[in-house]
Amino acid sequence: AQSVAQPEDQVNVAEGNPLTVKCTYSVSGNPYLFWYVQYPNRGLQFLLKYITGDNLVKGSYGFEAEFNKSQTSFHLKKPSALVSDSALYFCAVRDMSNTGKLIFGQGTTLQVKP
Amino acid sequence: IAGITQAPTSQILAAGRRMTLRCTQDMRHNAMYWYRQDLGLGLRLIHYSNTAGTTGKGEVPDGYSVSRANTDDFPLTLASAVPSQTSVYFCASSSTLYNEQFFGPGTRLTVL
Repeated sequence: AQSVAQPEDQVNVAEGNPLTVKCTYSVSGNPYLFWYVQYPNRGLQFLLKYITGDNLVKGSYGFEAEFNKSQTSFHLKKPSALVSDSALYFCAVRDMSNTGKLIFGQGTTLQVKP
Repeated sequence: IAGITQAPTSQILAAGRRMTLRCTQDMRHNAMYWYRQDLGLGLRLIHYSNTAGTTGKGEVPDGYSVSRANTDDFPLTLASAVPSQTSVYFCASSSTLYNEQFFGPGTRLTVL
C-alpha cells in the first residue's frame, strides 16, 4: 500500500537557523512527491514537487526538498527560517491509480521562534 | 484570478439535514477533488472527477455524493448529515492527474 510518513508532529527552530521537515514514502514505481503548507484557517498552498530529474527541487518562499530514492525520503529544507514560516506542512505522494488523488502525511507543525 | 472558491465558509447543520457544499474553479482544470481534513487523520479523499461528466469514489465516500455537470463546478452533497461528518472540507483541482493540486479555502462544517 502506498503511504507517506512524517515522523515529527512538531519541529521547533530559531529564526535564521536552517530547518528540515522530514518525509518518507512508500510507493510502487516512481513517485510523484509534493509539499504543501497550511496556515491557520486557510487552504493548502503548493510549495514544490518532484516528478523526475534533479534530486534537489526548489520551490516557493525559499523552500527546497531533496529526493533520496535509496532512503525513500523527500525532506523539506530551508537555509534560514523566518517566523512567518510557522505553519502546518504536509508531504504528499500521488496515488498510482487513476484517481489522481494525493496521499498525505499527517502533517508537521513548524514553529519558528524569534 | 480567484482560483478555487468554496461556499459556505462555515456552517452549523442539524443532523438529518441535507447540505450542498459548493466549489467553483476558474482555471479550466480537468480534474477536481473533495477532501476532508480531520485532526490526526490528515486529508482523505471523498470523491474525485477526472473530467466533466465523470466522477469516482475516494477513500471515504459513504454519505456523500458529487456531480460534475461542467468543468468549473464540483458540488458535494450530504444527503442526510451525521455528526461524524463534522470536518473541514477542501475542494481541489489540477490540470491533469499528474500535476499539483490547487486547494480552495475550505468549508468548516459542524453537524449537531
